[in-house]
Amino acid sequence: NAGVTQTPKFRVLKTGQSMTLLCAQDMNHEYMYWYRQDPGMGLRLIHYSVGEGTTAKGEVPDGYNVSRLKKQNFLLGLESAAPSQTSVYFCASTTMTDTQYFGPGTRLTVL
Amino acid sequence: GDSVTQMEGPVTLSEEAFLTINCTYTATGYPSLFWYVQYPGEGLQLLLKATKADDKGSNKGFEATYRKETTSFHLEKGSVQVSDSAVYFCALSDQARAGNNRKLIWGLGTSLAVNP
Repeated sequence: NAGVTQTPKFRVLKTGQSMTLLCAQDMNHEYMYWYRQDPGMGLRLIHYSVGEGTTAKGEVPDGYNVSRLKKQNFLLGLESAAPSQTSVYFCASTTMTDTQYFGPGTRLTVL
Repeated sequence: GDSVTQMEGPVTLSEEAFLTINCTYTATGYPSLFWYVQYPGEGLQLLLKATKADDKGSNKGFEATYRKETTSFHLEKGSVQVSDSAVYFCALSDQARAGNNRKLIWGLGTSLAVNP
């Protein structure tokens, strides 16, 4: 039981490049979330999903897209990366108890 | 809207000192309250939770009591260790209003450094 995994762990992009971050969970959770963590700003919710095939915007959705084609996977895409998207990205999932389980994070640098 | 306020860090303590990290909240429903911990270079993990007023959550020597009258959920530990050095996040989930999104409202985090 791996819990929540994230791929890749580190990535460096140039401005304007695109990439996809993959989150996978093996706990059969319905709800999944993408956050970004920046110094002094805590966790900010980017997008979330309440079930397979659904997505919704969080606090800071601009510049990101998501897809939840399979229940266990939640993808975060950056179509045209900007330096302001340099951050640590965390995926989390939960079930009816509201306790969120987090992945180890992806450290993204945009030059 | 709902919100969580944590004491600002960094907090620096000597080993075996007493720890308190303050957390207060505003919510219009009946929230569950959480403390998460983030060790350096890792993701967040649940430390403890409480789901109703007067509940006490505890884990790894840490405790927090859900105080509805003061809208607080302060984290305490009687004797900290170097291994407790981490960032601590307070969060709430309003189950009455969560509808179907199960989102958590997060504090900004409090960094703790424990020196030997």
